[in-house]
Amino acid sequence: GIQVEQSPPDLILQEGANSTLRCNFSDSVNNLQWFHQNPWGQLINLFYIPSGTKQNGRLSATTVATERYSLLYISSSQTTDSGVYFCAVPTGANSKLTFGKGITLSVRP
Amino acid sequence: NAGVMQNPRHLVRRRGQEARLRCSPMKGHSHVYWYRQLPEEGLKFMVYLQKENIIDESGMPKERFSAEFPKEGPSILRIQQVVRGDSAAYFCASSRAGGPHEQFFGPGTRLTVL
Repeated sequence: GIQVEQSPPDLILQEGANSTLRCNFSDSVNNLQWFHQNPWGQLINLFYIPSGTKQNGRLSATTVATERYSLLYISSSQTTDSGVYFCAVPTGANSKLTFGKGITLSVRP
Repeated sequence: NAGVMQNPRHLVRRRGQEARLRCSPMKGHSHVYWYRQLPEEGLKFMVYLQKENIIDESGMPKERFSAEFPKEGPSILRIQQVVRGDSAAYFCASSRAGGPHEQFFGPGTRLTVL
């Protein structure tokens, strides 16, 4: 099946810093989702981004489907950005999501 | 609009008991997916359902686990005779239709087996 790799596995930032999180996938996909799992365990939809670039406040995402990767940019990070960031791609005829292992982000005040 | 609802949020069971997890999809969504997040592991697909139909259960353990999505009411994930290895967070997601549509996740049910 499709492989989804995220990097780096862990990231520690000082509040106010910028960061780039990467998601590579091993096969062509027709959409991709980014999620934030907050410290309470809830999964928050960030982006649904099959291709191109989208922005939402301090966050933006770019997917280059032909090169099989997606990037999540966080600018002016805040402590509330802490948590685990997952990317996921649909696989198979029923589009069940295959998740990466996640990137654990800690933003320090 | 209400999001995906799951209940209970936390469930504690003793070994051998049954666990029932409920999921109500977003309004207008008729497709439900269940995922499990085991400690130190990522999120894994379990089962995909539409109303009254199980479409894909390739991620479900062969024994003790079952799922349904009746014509009326929430989707239910049922685990019989729970064991400690079933302790995990169980997430439900819904989408407007099948295929490559955005999936929205509920808050999850955290199952602890004593």
